[in-house]
Amino acid sequence: ELKVEQNPLFLSMQEGKNYTIYCNYSTTSDRLYWYRQDPGKSLESLFVLLSNGAVKQEGRLMASLDTKARLSTLHITAAVHDLSATYFCAVGRGPGNQFYFGTGTSLTVIP
Amino acid sequence: NAGVTQTPKFQVLKTGQSMTLQCAQDMNHEYMSWYRQDPGMGLRLIHYSVGAGITDQGEVPNGYNVSRSTTEDFPLRLLSAAPSQTSVYFCAARGGTDTQYFGPGTRLTVL
Repeated sequence: ELKVEQNPLFLSMQEGKNYTIYCNYSTTSDRLYWYRQDPGKSLESLFVLLSNGAVKQEGRLMASLDTKARLSTLHITAAVHDLSATYFCAVGRGPGNQFYFGTGTSLTVIP
Repeated sequence: NAGVTQTPKFQVLKTGQSMTLQCAQDMNHEYMSWYRQDPGMGLRLIHYSVGAGITDQGEVPNGYNVSRSTTEDFPLRLLSAAPSQTSVYFCAARGGTDTQYFGPGTRLTVL
C-alpha cells in the first residue's frame, strides 16, 4: 500500500520568511501533484511534477521532485498572508494513475 | 466551461437512508474519481473510473456504489447511510497524467 507523509502537519510562519514543506512517499512513482485548499473550499491545482528532477515555480512557491529519494518539496519564499491555506501533495500510481494524498500541511502566515 | 459540478452542496441523512451524490464534468476527461475528506486524514479514494462503463474500487469503497454510463456523469450511491460516512465528498476529473480538477464538494451529515 502506498503511503504518503507530509511534514510538518502544521506550520506557523511570519511574513517574509522562507520555509519548506516535505512530502515523502513509500513506493516508486514519478508523478507528483501539489494542491492548495482554502477553508471550506475545494482543491486547487498548483503543480504537476512528472519526472525525476522536475522543478516548477509559480510566484513565491517552488516545487521539486526527487524520485530516487521518493521526496517532493514545496518551498515558500518570503511568505505573505495570502499563502495561508492547507497544502496537499498527491502521488499518482497504478494503471489508472490513482492519486494517493498526504494528510496535508496547514500553513498560517502571521503578519 | 463549468468544469466539475456536484450536487447537492449539503445533505443531512438519517442512518439507513440511501442517496445519490451527483457529479458531472464538461471537459471530456476519461478519468473520474470520488474522494472523501475527513479531518486529519487527507483525501481518500472511494471509487474511480477510467472511462464510460469501467469502474474500480479505491482505498475505502465499502458502503458506496458507482456507475459510469456516460463520459460526463459519475454518480456515487450510498446504499445505507451510516454515521461513519459523515464527511465531505469530492468528485474529480482528469485526462491522462494531467492534474485532477475537483468539484466544489458535498458536505454530508448522517445522523
